[in-house]
Amino acid sequence: SQQGEEDPQALSIQEGENATMNCSYKTSINNLQWYRQNSGRGLVHLILIRSNEREKHSGRLRVTLDTSKKSSSLLITASRAADTASYFCATDGSWTGKLIFGQGTTLQVKP
Amino acid sequence: DTAVSQTPKYLVTQMGNDKSIKCEQNLGHDTMYWYKQDSKKFLKIMFSYNNKELIINETVPNRFSPKSPDKAHLNLHINSLELGDSAVYFCASSPTGVREQYFGPGTRLTVT
Repeated sequence: SQQGEEDPQALSIQEGENATMNCSYKTSINNLQWYRQNSGRGLVHLILIRSNEREKHSGRLRVTLDTSKKSSSLLITASRAADTASYFCATDGSWTGKLIFGQGTTLQVKP
Repeated sequence: DTAVSQTPKYLVTQMGNDKSIKCEQNLGHDTMYWYKQDSKKFLKIMFSYNNKELIINETVPNRFSPKSPDKAHLNLHINSLELGDSAVYFCASSPTGVREQYFGPGTRLTVT
């Protein structure tokens, strides 16, 4: 069964604004990952946060993880039109590396 | 270019046919995966191989059969195609001990 639920399903903002996406999951995890998918393309790994970490930064990306609430958020600061894409959270909870993906947030950044 | 590649990119076929999708990675990774993404963008793991050994086999119809001739290749063969098999199929790979996955560009399968 699908583990991740993402919120909102769609988000439209102006260039320069910040975008926040949320992800909730149901069972224990080793780590949580965020991926980006541009239209018609494969997924690209953005950032991984381990279960013992609370916050992580990479460039304009900030990810938080709250294991007590089983939730994570991805913040993209100073958004650009090129950030327009779908963003997926994925949880890794087993030794096999199996990822369970959320349904994604579609972000549109208007120039 | 170092990457995960898939062929073909588009595949249109009729119900009942048998087709294969090929995946190759030249990243030196030990683990490869097949995912199915439906029309609502829901992405679900199907299979995973580590050094040619099957380690993930999700509940998929046995019409789907993965084959890994070596650790750089993971192919997906689908027998007796059905309308519901229409989707985008992604191959991915990851190195041992590193959990992030590298995805191919996808194969859009349309069954008519």
